[in-house]
Amino acid sequence: AQRVTQPEKLLSVFKGAPVELKCNYSYSGSPELFWYVQYSRQRLQLLLRHISRESIKGFTADLNKGETSFHLKKPFAQEEDSAMYYCALKGGGADGLTFGKGTHLIIQP
Amino acid sequence: KAGVTQTPRYLIKTRGQQVTLSCSPISGHRSVSWYQQTPGQGLQFLFEYFSETQRNKGNFPGRFSGRQFSNSRSEMNVSTLELGDSALYLCASSLTGGISGNTIYFGEGSWLTVV
Repeated sequence: AQRVTQPEKLLSVFKGAPVELKCNYSYSGSPELFWYVQYSRQRLQLLLRHISRESIKGFTADLNKGETSFHLKKPFAQEEDSAMYYCALKGGGADGLTFGKGTHLIIQP
Repeated sequence: KAGVTQTPRYLIKTRGQQVTLSCSPISGHRSVSWYQQTPGQGLQFLFEYFSETQRNKGNFPGRFSGRQFSNSRSEMNVSTLELGDSALYLCASSLTGGISGNTIYFGEGSWLTVV
């Protein structure tokens, strides 16, 4: 069975500090990994996916197959980064997304 | 272009009743999937429809069902409602679903409260 674990329910950092949101997954094949973000009173939206290897809003995430991790990082946090962040996995075939429980990121001024 | 639209946004039902939720995907999107979000279980996949056919189903009882119409609009139905069905139900659409790298876009959700 596939599983996504986000160990931190809440992460609070100061503006300008580095941010790392952890995500570990369990899947026997080669999954597709995503980070979704939900800002206050907005809908869930895609932040980035591992196959794109892109940086969005200063965030990056690298898939580490050896450690089965897909941690989200940003070198300098901004107040507008405060939101719920969900790591998600899509396995082979046409299964739906498997989400982690989410991490509430709070950026303090 | 318009995003994924879900109706109704909020509703209250009584135990034992049934409910139907509606979803209009982004124009041109043929894959529609449904998710249940609760504080305890988080976001869980219900099912996915593509070209009017259910392509995948999550681990939910048969009381949860859905369908997709020829214009890609989708409905989900929950029969014999239980208190535990209280949740935010999210609809998502993408061009074709699958693992092709299509971006999945979410609606704002329908808040269901069962009393």
